Amino acid sequence: GESVGLHLPTLSVQEGDNSIINCAYSNSASDYFIWYKQESGKGPQFIIDIRSNMDKRQGQRVTVLLNKTVKHLSLQIAATQPGDSAVYFCAESSTDSWGKLQFGAGTQVVVTP
Amino acid sequence: GAVVSQHPSWVICKSGTSVKIECRSLDFQATTMFWYRQFPKQSLMLMATSNEGSKATYEQGVEKDKFLINHASLTLSTLTVTSAHPEDSSFYICSARVGGGNNSPLHFGNGTRLTVT
Repeated sequence: GESVGLHLPTLSVQEGDNSIINCAYSNSASDYFIWYKQESGKGPQFIIDIRSNMDKRQGQRVTVLLNKTVKHLSLQIAATQPGDSAVYFCAESSTDSWGKLQFGAGTQVVVTP
Repeated sequence: GAVVSQHPSWVICKSGTSVKIECRSLDFQATTMFWYRQFPKQSLMLMATSNEGSKATYEQGVEKDKFLINHASLTLSTLTVTSAHPEDSSFYICSARVGGGNNSPLHFGNGTRLTVT
């Protein structure tokens, strides 16, 4: 079946640098995308979302970019901090999926001093 | 913000026994809740959609007779793992959406770590 997937399982970033996490999706009907952060032993925590009628959305220190042409999603974290160390998942849904979210494989972000 | 609470946070049970996991929406009502399972170092896999007052809908490959879901009220859904086996050991996470239609974030509980010995 169609899926959302990530290509970088681990990303090592120096504290203070910017992080970019990428996500490719295959369902052309996907119209809603979310980034989650999951710390060890906890449930996913919402970071930012974007609808398919947008190509960029900014939050506090985070920016999500959506390129529907190539079915690519990215999360940029500015001035990465030690507290940003976690696994990051993209997730998507489509109008015909009844609100169900499908998750990508995840990227482990490790922030080094 | 919206809070989803799960109980217990961890449980150890013997093979062949059943375990019930509760998921509550603490400050909002949820007609629909979603149950996910996550194995170590892997992503979240959707197991089923819990519907208040009606039967749950299960994803392909998930045994409905093994993973019993009951959504008896607008704030509580339960997942019962029946006749648990070691391969059922996993991290079970529930989620719910606060209004806003289907294009709004799911809020997740902190998960239940199940270990079957």
